[in-house]
Amino acid sequence: AQTVTQSQPEMSVQEAETVTLSCTYDTSENNYYLFWYKQPPSRQMILVIRQEAYKQQNATENRFSVNFQKAAKSFSLKISDSQLGDTAMYFCAFMKHAAGANNLFFGTGTRLTVIP
Amino acid sequence: NAGVMQNPRHLVRRRGQEARLRCSPMKGHSHVYWYRQLPEEGLKFMVYLQKENIIDESGMPKERFSAEFPKEGPSILRIQQVVRGDSAAYFCASSQGADAVNEQFFGPGTRLTVL
Repeated sequence: AQTVTQSQPEMSVQEAETVTLSCTYDTSENNYYLFWYKQPPSRQMILVIRQEAYKQQNATENRFSVNFQKAAKSFSLKISDSQLGDTAMYFCAFMKHAAGANNLFFGTGTRLTVIP
Repeated sequence: NAGVMQNPRHLVRRRGQEARLRCSPMKGHSHVYWYRQLPEEGLKFMVYLQKENIIDESGMPKERFSAEFPKEGPSILRIQQVVRGDSAAYFCASSQGADAVNEQFFGPGTRLTVL
């Protein structure tokens, strides 16, 4: 069974500063995908960034980057130059790399508040 | 270019009634997933369907819950004889293909309240 743990229920950051959200996971799979989703107050789930486990290079998307440590089963999200629009719940998620097994396993989320 | 559509956005039912939640996937998507989000929790997978087929229902309660994705029309998540514990946000996602290369796009969710 896969589990995803987000140990920070709430975080805050000053506008324009950098913040890192933590995520650890447990799996016996060797090939898998990891995701960070954002859920703003509108409740719409939005994909922020994705990482394939077989890729050593950390994924980046503009101000968002990850620190993927496969051996430690750690997948943190770094948000640089935080903006007010980044205020949201952030969910870390896991997906096995197997045919027909493409449901997402989510952590419990981190509520991020960007302070003006 | 409409995204994933869910209706209704809010649904109120009394205990014992039936709830029907609808999901229209993005155009060109034939894979649909349903997730449930309890208050202050992450989303939990319920069921994965392709057109006319249930592929994985391992996250769906065995009783009172059912899902379908007919050849024509939206996917339906049906909850019979609702109880207070069914109160949650139900999200539908769709994808073009059957693996993680294909992003799952989420709908806005249906918030079910059971009185």
